Amino acid sequence: DTAVSQTPKYLVTQMGNDKSIKCEQNLGHDTMYWYKQDSKKFLKIMFSYNNKELIINETVPNRFSPKSPDKAHLNLHINSLELGDSAVYFCASSKMASGGETQYFGPGTRLLVL
Amino acid sequence: QKEVEQDPGPLSVPEGAIVSLNCTYSNSAFQYFMWYRQYSRKGPELLMYTYSSGNKEDGRFTAQVDKSSKYISLFIRDSQPSDSATYLCAMMGQGAQKLVFGQGTRLTINP
Repeated sequence: DTAVSQTPKYLVTQMGNDKSIKCEQNLGHDTMYWYKQDSKKFLKIMFSYNNKELIINETVPNRFSPKSPDKAHLNLHINSLELGDSAVYFCASSKMASGGETQYFGPGTRLLVL
Repeated sequence: QKEVEQDPGPLSVPEGAIVSLNCTYSNSAFQYFMWYRQYSRKGPELLMYTYSSGNKEDGRFTAQVDKSSKYISLFIRDSQPSDSATYLCAMMGQGAQKLVFGQGTRLTINP
């Protein structure tokens, strides 16, 4: 059983389109995250939710909007996609937000904007 | 200057060699230090975890933290081709909610 799953795995789309990525975790964790990994493998946090409440909102364009319908799900909607949005997006979860808890990552969604 | 600096490599060594991977950091508030391993086209997975200073050993892997120098290391003994991956260091402060990653070092072990 996959602990953290993401859909879709691959996403190829045109500039200007709107797309969503979904994430689900079955670990019973309270905290979920979205990360962006660029072509140089640099992994940077975008958002974090704890118990459906937004707790981290890094300097991310407001074209990116996360949504957590419940503790087990965290989705990412991206409006008006730009070339620079091409990257791998990882969802992760942890038991709680602080205390150095281990974060468990999903397999990633590879987004290519043409 | 980034909060966490890590040489991206690539690093290529022969099978059986000892590998040393390092990160430096600038934030003295960091207390939790981790190494994640990321295979190609996969998500990162936790490899080693250390709280505050000191060493931790797990099989062929040893993690060291030197807080006075703001320097952490991961050693891999008797390296295997299956160790070929990108290794990312990550750190978090006490009470903080954000994990800060290094850029990752791409490692290849040649048979």
